[in-house]
Amino acid sequence: NAGVTQTPKFQVLKTGQSMTLQCAQDMNHEYMSWYRQDPGMGLRLIHYSVGAGITDQGEVPNGYNVSRSTTEDFPLRLLSAAPSQTSVYFCASSYGGRMNTEAFFGQGTRLTVV
Amino acid sequence: AQSVTQLGSHVSVSEGALVLLRCNYSSSVPPYLFWYVQYPNQGLQLLLKYTSAATLVKGINGFEAEFKKSETSFHLTKPSAHMSDAAEYFCAVSIYNQGGKLIFGQGTELSVKP
Repeated sequence: NAGVTQTPKFQVLKTGQSMTLQCAQDMNHEYMSWYRQDPGMGLRLIHYSVGAGITDQGEVPNGYNVSRSTTEDFPLRLLSAAPSQTSVYFCASSYGGRMNTEAFFGQGTRLTVV
Repeated sequence: AQSVTQLGSHVSVSEGALVLLRCNYSSSVPPYLFWYVQYPNQGLQLLLKYTSAATLVKGINGFEAEFKKSETSFHLTKPSAHMSDAAEYFCAVSIYNQGGKLIFGQGTELSVKP
């Protein structure tokens, strides 16, 4: 049981380049989300999905796109990378939308934009 | 609006000493609260969660937290620190009526001295 798998683990981009961060989960979780982690700011929600075909914006969605065509996958797209997007990105999944549901996290993708 | 504040971005204790990591929340509705731990270069792992069943919550690795409504606090404690406890700790609250979405505190880095 792999849980939540993120690829790549590390990436360096040039300003203006685009890329997709991959996230897959094998727990049949309905809910998936993307967070970014920056020093002193904790984790902030970028985008969120409650099921295949349904996505919603989080706290910091600008510059990012998502889609959810299957239950398992939730890729995050950077359309035109900027240095402000240098961060560690975490994908998470959870079973259903109950308030007491814990989130399971991937290992993270460390992105540097130069 | 809901929010979480962690007091102290860095806490240092000696091995065997009490660990106390502070978390205060702001919420106009009964909160669901979580503590996560992040070891270096890894994802987040659930330590424990409060879901209103009991105010004293026991988690993994000897950690526990007490929910105090009057103080709007959910501090994390461990009686005796171990070197392996060195990590970053995050307090989080589940967003009301949007289960699966979390608001995180800024994080507290715990160092354990031999």
